Amino acid sequence: EVQLVESGGASVQPGGSLRLSCAASGFTFSSYWMFWVRQTPERGLVWVSRINNDGSSAWYEDSVRGRFTLSRDNAKNTLYLQMNSLRAEDTAVYYCARDPDTSNKIDYWGQGTLVTVSS
Amino acid sequence: VVMTQSPLSAPVILGQPASISCTSSLSLVYSNGKTHLSWFHQRPGQSPRRLIYEVSKRDSGVPDRFSGSGSGTYFTLKISRVEAEDVGVYYCMQGTHLPISFGQGTRLEIK
Repeated sequence: EVQLVESGGASVQPGGSLRLSCAASGFTFSSYWMFWVRQTPERGLVWVSRINNDGSSAWYEDSVRGRFTLSRDNAKNTLYLQMNSLRAEDTAVYYCARDPDTSNKIDYWGQGTLVTVSS
Repeated sequence: VVMTQSPLSAPVILGQPASISCTSSLSLVYSNGKTHLSWFHQRPGQSPRRLIYEVSKRDSGVPDRFSGSGSGTYFTLKISRVEAEDVGVYYCMQGTHLPISFGQGTRLEIK
């Protein structure tokens, strides 16, 4: 059974940093591209970042580029999102998700982790 | 690519059909001829679950009362007979153009 379990969400002040993790199981993690998607009541679901299967390339949404860094450790079956210079507008539930066939589709989502940026 | 869903709220009677439309600002036909349009269902407090991919292909375990159709820029999700477990928010998503993008969601509720 495919499982994606996020962790690391917390309440942080503007300008602070957080690292989110996504532990994967039930599939060959190193074979799949992965996404982070965030959700707020105001903006709905918004793509944040994508990484290829070996971690050599990552892509970012414009508002997070230069502040967020996506990486992965295939030996640990874990995806990471390093979030720096956090802003109030980064407040959201963050989901990791799997791309089933390197075609920018999503098949499985984690349960999400809440990030709150507030003073 | 902007994905626009309608209606945003869909009150339906149990056992009756429901239909949600999704319009994209660009054609979603990919260079390989496939159309990367998916539908997801999200219950309160849960993460989204995929129902349909490539416009009309149902995921394993999805009841056959769910069907997807459409082409180019206009797509539809239909539920032939709504059941109580179908309540929640439905999202369309395109993966043809980067960045991937989602519709704003349609809330299905029982009337």
